[in-house]
Amino acid sequence: AQRVTQPEKLLSVFKGAPVELKCNYSYSGSPELFWYVQYSRQRLQLLLRHISRESIKGFTADLNKGETSFHLKKPFAQEEDSAMYYCALISNNNDMRFGAGTRLTVKP
Amino acid sequence: DGGITQSPKYLFRKEGQNVTLSCEQNLNHDAMYWYRQDPGQGLRLIYYSQIVNDFQKGDIAEGYSVSREKKESFPLTVTSAQKNPTAFYLCASSVIRVNTGELFFGEGSRLTVL
Repeated sequence: AQRVTQPEKLLSVFKGAPVELKCNYSYSGSPELFWYVQYSRQRLQLLLRHISRESIKGFTADLNKGETSFHLKKPFAQEEDSAMYYCALISNNNDMRFGAGTRLTVKP
Repeated sequence: DGGITQSPKYLFRKEGQNVTLSCEQNLNHDAMYWYRQDPGQGLRLIYYSQIVNDFQKGDIAEGYSVSREKKESFPLTVTSAQKNPTAFYLCASSVIRVNTGELFFGEGSRLTVL
């Protein structure tokens, strides 16, 4: 079964501290993984995709096939990073499957 | 103004009634999706469609029905058979190659069954 697991429902850090949002997946084959973000009163939107190996708003995510993980990291969290974050993968049926989400709060 | 529009934003329904949620996009996307969002459960896929007049069940299709008669429209009907219909519903669309990974989401529709 293809599944995305985000073990933390809530995560709270202070401004300037490093942050890591965990994501583990189960998938047979080569997974395509993504992080989506939903800021307060905004639509859910794509943050980054592993295939692009990009850094968006200071966030990066590395695919670790050995640990089946795709954790999202940022070295210095900002208050505007407070949001709901979803890890997602494309399934064998070519549809997008999401994790349960992690609510990140960055305190001043 | 391009985008994806869901209506209504809020909807109340009595038990035993069917209700239809509208989703329209003018992005010329081939693929459209319906997700249900519940606290602590993330987004669960109800139905998706990759081409007009074709659609597939997602993980929680029971009690729901869809149609895709036009490229820009993908309405979702929540039937009386859905045992726990009170939820927030999100519609999304994407280009046909889903592995670009970018789904564009609507603002959502919140359904409450009284």
